[in-house]
Amino acid sequence: EDQVTQSPEALRLQEGESSSLNCSYTVSGLRGLFWYRQDPGKGPEFLFTLYSAGEEKEKERLKATLTKKESFLHITAPKPEDSATYLCAVGGGATNKLIFGTGTLLAVQP
Amino acid sequence: DGGITQSPKYLFRKEGQNVTLSCEQNLNHDAMYWYRQDPGQGLRLIYYSQIVNDFQKGDIAEGYSVSREKKESFPLTVTSAQKNPTAFYLCASTGTSGSIGNEQFFGPGTRLTVL
Repeated sequence: EDQVTQSPEALRLQEGESSSLNCSYTVSGLRGLFWYRQDPGKGPEFLFTLYSAGEEKEKERLKATLTKKESFLHITAPKPEDSATYLCAVGGGATNKLIFGTGTLLAVQP
Repeated sequence: DGGITQSPKYLFRKEGQNVTLSCEQNLNHDAMYWYRQDPGQGLRLIYYSQIVNDFQKGDIAEGYSVSREKKESFPLTVTSAQKNPTAFYLCASTGTSGSIGNEQFFGPGTRLTVL
């Protein structure tokens, strides 16, 4: 069965304390892995697409990496404005639908 | 500015009432999607449409209906048959006829509450 699991469910960091969020997936024939940021009461904001193992993408303090089984979202020296829920989704398998994880709620304290 | 708009932002429904959520995009995207988001769960697909006048059921289509008469618009009706409609509803779109390898872009969402 195709599925996506994100960990941890919640993460609290001090400002400047780097860490990583995990997205583990099982899907036959990955066609894309997507990271989104979602602020409370708002729609998800697209961050990155990764297509193949070994690929990396960066944007400001965020860096996404991909292996054959999981993706990491590395946050370097986070700031309070990085606080949000980060969602991971994969496209692939037998259906033309994205499968979403339940997200990681990140809180960065000043 | 190109983007996706959803209205209203908040919607209240009485028992037995049908309500319609609006979704409009000016990105010239082919495919549009409706998701439902509940606390502690991943986004769940309700309906999607890859071209005008065609749409498919997602994983939780029961109690919902859609239409796609224009490329720019994909309204969702929550019918009285949907027994637990209180949720955050998100509309998304993507180009290239909805290839699952392309990122989807989301609107701001509509929060529906049943009174």
